[in-house]
Amino acid sequence: AQSVTQPDARVTVSEGASLQLRCKYSYSGTPYLFWYVQYPRQGLQLLLKYYSGDPVVQGVNGFEAEFIKSNSSFHLRKASVHWSDSAVYFCAVRNTGYQNFYFGKGTSLTVIP
Amino acid sequence: SVLLYQKPNRDICQSGTSLKIQCVADSQVVSMFWYQQFQEQSLMLMATANEGSEATYESGFTKDKFPISRPNLTFSTLTVNNARPGDSSIYFCSSLGGADAEQFFGPGTRLTVL
Repeated sequence: AQSVTQPDARVTVSEGASLQLRCKYSYSGTPYLFWYVQYPRQGLQLLLKYYSGDPVVQGVNGFEAEFIKSNSSFHLRKASVHWSDSAVYFCAVRNTGYQNFYFGKGTSLTVIP
Repeated sequence: SVLLYQKPNRDICQSGTSLKIQCVADSQVVSMFWYQQFQEQSLMLMATANEGSEATYESGFTKDKFPISRPNLTFSTLTVNNARPGDSSIYFCSSLGGADAEQFFGPGTRLTVL
């Protein structure tokens, strides 16, 4: 069965610092992988996605993620965070032929100015 | 991309009552999905709704409790029957769109059951 684990429920970093949010997935086939961001009182917005090809994918607002198949990981990174990046970030996996998404529990990011 | 609108944004209701949440897409979509999110928790897929057919429910969600209608390719309604305080959460509709079949989400409906 598919599952997504985000081991860090909360992360706090200072503005300008680098960031890594961890995501590990469990999936038997070839997954489609996603990172979404949820700002307070808003819906989810897609940050980036991985379907195939280059394992490092670029997203919006300077975010990137790397798919490491051997480690079943899809960590999200940003070189220098801004206070406006404070939000909840969700990692998700989807079956290539099935439409259902499976989300991790999310990581709440707080960026201290 | 697909833009999804939900109505109402939030609702407060008494236990035992029923309420409807509407979702409208700005373009035709084959499938609409409904998710439930408890505070500081992940999104849980409730059901998948295709036009003209019965919704498919995930484990833990039933048609009697959460009936879903999908009368056309741009609209869906989620009903919460016999609402209980445990149903208090945010409900999101979602659909696939774009060349890569990305998943888009509505802004959510925050439900509080007293």
